[in-house]
Amino acid sequence: NAGVTQTPKFRVLKTGQSMTLLCAQDMNHEYMYWYRQDPGMGLRLIHYSVGEGTTAKGEVPDGYNVSRLKKQNFLLGLESAAPSQTSVYFCASRPPGRPVETQYFGPGTRLLVL
Amino acid sequence: KNQVEQSPQSLIILEGKNCTLQCNYTVSPFSNLRWYKQDTGRGPVSLTIMTFSENTKSNGRYTATLDADTKQSSLHITASQLSDSASYICVVSAMLGNEKLTFGTGTRLTIIP
Repeated sequence: NAGVTQTPKFRVLKTGQSMTLLCAQDMNHEYMYWYRQDPGMGLRLIHYSVGEGTTAKGEVPDGYNVSRLKKQNFLLGLESAAPSQTSVYFCASRPPGRPVETQYFGPGTRLLVL
Repeated sequence: KNQVEQSPQSLIILEGKNCTLQCNYTVSPFSNLRWYKQDTGRGPVSLTIMTFSENTKSNGRYTATLDADTKQSSLHITASQLSDSASYICVVSAMLGNEKLTFGTGTRLTIIP
């Protein structure tokens, strides 16, 4: 099993550009999450999904959109990137029936917005 | 507001020494507390989970404690190894039936030979 994988690993954007971050998991997990990690702050939840075709807002959803068309994939989109979105983005997943904090994280995507 | 505070922010110790990391939380109603290890450039990996009724739990050289009365947890690392160099993150969930977690900012541990 590859676990949770994220694409790309690193990206540089100019302000106003758009991009999509891809998260894939091969563990057949129902729940998937997108977080951002910034210096001096704990991970913050952007959006999450409790199953294929469903998405919900987290703590800091503004400026991001998500889609879960397939159970194994969870996409995070930035329509018009801003310097404040410079961060490290982590995707996570968990199986149903396990506590919410039982999450398996991907390796992260480092995004720099100039 | 739910909060998780960790101390110290950073810690440097010699290989082979022991250390203890602290986590204080104000999450309510408390459900579970989990410690994660995050290597540089990697995603967090679970070390151990503590539920309300548990006081101590060990995972190899890692021992976590929980005092639900004082809302404190500690992670003790015995006989540290160079591979223990990482950030250690305390994460707390509330019994609210949602997907929200409260993450601490982590303690950056550096083991020097």
